[in-house]
This record gives sequence, structure tokens and C-alpha cells, in this order.
Amino acid sequence: KQEVTQIPAALSVPEGENLVLNCSFTDSAIYNLQWFRQDPGKGLTSLLLIQSSQREQTSGRLNASLDKSSGRSTLYIAASQPGDSATYLCAVFDNNNDMRFGAGTRLTVKP
Amino acid sequence: DGGITQSPKYLFRKEGQNVTLSCEQNLNHDAMYWYRQDPGQGLRLIYYSQIVNDFQKGDIAEGYSVSREKKESFPLTVTSAQKNPTAFYLCASSIYVGETQYFGPGTRLLVL
Repeated sequence: KQEVTQIPAALSVPEGENLVLNCSFTDSAIYNLQWFRQDPGKGLTSLLLIQSSQREQTSGRLNASLDKSSGRSTLYIAASQPGDSATYLCAVFDNNNDMRFGAGTRLTVKP
Repeated sequence: DGGITQSPKYLFRKEGQNVTLSCEQNLNHDAMYWYRQDPGQGLRLIYYSQIVNDFQKGDIAEGYSVSREKKESFPLTVTSAQKNPTAFYLCASSIYVGETQYFGPGTRLLVL
């Protein structure tokens, strides 16, 4: 059974810093991996989706990478801003139509 | 406005009562999903539907039921058999299973 882990559980950085969020998964037989953002008490917003054949995806200040063989993905946020404060979740979709979420990393960007 | 809506925002359930959470989308998506989120945990899949009149159990389907009579609608019923229903419930849709999922704003269910 696929397990998805996100470390750290919480992260606090000063504004302007570049930062990396980590996601690891136990079964490399995945179809794709998604990164989401969740604000408190709200639904999830999709940030980036990486297909299993891709190595990375970029959107604005966000860059997500995927290394299937090692079971890892990273979300890189450049020049962080207070508005980036949220919980970031990764989710793995495998070849059995199963979607597994990590518990998330709660990011705080201090002005 | 295209999107996915959930209602109500808050729902209170008395012991022994069945309650139904609404999820509607006008994105013309075939696939729809229900997740449960507990504090400090990731989302767990309750049910998903690939197409109208079809649905599959997720990891934690016990105590829940769904229907998919229309493409736009995927209501979730929390039955009295679900002994620990207090959670944040999220509905999502995607054009097909495995594609980018779009989430509704969620319903918080509380037990009286």
C-alpha cells in the first residue's frame, strides 16, 4: 500500500527566502504526482501536476521535481511571500486508480 | 462561473441520524471524489465515481454511501453506522480519473 510522507510538518521562514518542501512515497509505480495548497478551513487548490514520465513542472515562482526511482518529489518556492503561508500537500496517483495524500507541510512566511 | 460547490458549509448531526452532504460541479467532469480530512492527517478517499451511475469504494467507505445519478452531482450520505463522523469533508472532480483534481470549499460535519 502506497504511503506518502511529507517532511517537515511545519516550516517558518522570513519573507524573501527560497525554500524546499519534501514529499516521499514508497511505491514508485505511480501515474502522476500533484502538489496542492490549502488555506485554513478551505478546500485544496491544485498547484502543479507532474506526470510519471516528467522530471519537473514550473509555474511562476513554483517548481516541482519528481524522482520516481528514489520515491521523492520536491516543491521549490522562490522568493517566498507572506501570501504563500498555507499548508502544502502532495498526492500520488498510482496505476491502481488510488490517490494517496501526505499529511502536509504547514508553511509560515514572516514579513 | 465554472466550479465545484459544496453545501452546507457546516452540518450538525445528532446521534443515530443520517445526513447528506451536497457536491455539485459545472465543469463537465466525468470523475468525482469524496475525501475526509482529520486534523494533522492527509486526505483519505471515501468514494469516487468515474462516470454516471458508477462509483467505487475508497479506503474508508464504511458508514458512508453515495449516488451518481447525474454527471453534475455526487452527494455523500453519512449514515448512523459511521461512529466517528466529525471531520472536514472535501469533494473534488477531474475531467477523468487521474487528471488534475479541482476541490470544493468543504463541509465541516460536527456531532451534537
